[in-house]
Amino acid sequence: AQSVTQLDSHVSVSEGTPVLLRCNYSSSYSPSLFWYVQHPNKGLQLLLKYTSAATLVKGINGFEAEFKKSETSFHLTKPSAHMSDAAEYFCVVSDRNYGQNFVFGPGTRLSVLP
Amino acid sequence: GAVVSQHPSWVICKSGTSVKIECRSLDFQATTMFWYRQFPKQSLMLMATSNEGSKATYEQGVEKDKFLINHASLTLSTLTVTSAHPEDSSFYICSANVAGSYEQYFGPGTRLTVT
Repeated sequence: AQSVTQLDSHVSVSEGTPVLLRCNYSSSYSPSLFWYVQHPNKGLQLLLKYTSAATLVKGINGFEAEFKKSETSFHLTKPSAHMSDAAEYFCVVSDRNYGQNFVFGPGTRLSVLP
Repeated sequence: GAVVSQHPSWVICKSGTSVKIECRSLDFQATTMFWYRQFPKQSLMLMATSNEGSKATYEQGVEKDKFLINHASLTLSTLTVTSAHPEDSSFYICSANVAGSYEQYFGPGTRLTVT
């Protein structure tokens, strides 16, 4: 069975400082991993995805994540936070059965302080 | 490309009535569609998976007679909440998958409030 742990339910950073949102996963197979962002009362937007290609994945809006198999981690980073980054972030793991069995992490709420 | 729409975006209904939510893939044919539920300040929980022309597969604990899913075509799936109660109030999100793709494409969600 797959599972996702997002170690921080809430992260608060100042505008212009780096962002780190942590995600650890458990999967019996070689997983696909995704980060989604959700602004209040909105749907999900895909930030980036890992599907067994390069381990360092660059996404939209300056976000990137690194797949580390030895650590079973897929942490999301951004060098400089912007006020518009304040939102809920979900890490998702999927097994190798193409696009099926998405398991969502509990989410991390990112606050950006002026 | 890969746009998924939902209708309505929000709906209010009275307790005991039924409400139907539509999920459409606008520019691709979806092999599989998924329905998720999200309570306030919580994560998404998968309710059911449906393939076109087949009966939906429901997750444990989801009442199939209460949440009716129809996937009549490769571009449309519907979720009907029957005899709705206030505890059914939630944010319902659908997604769609294309055969061979690792991704699910998510709709914008439907906010259901049962009074």
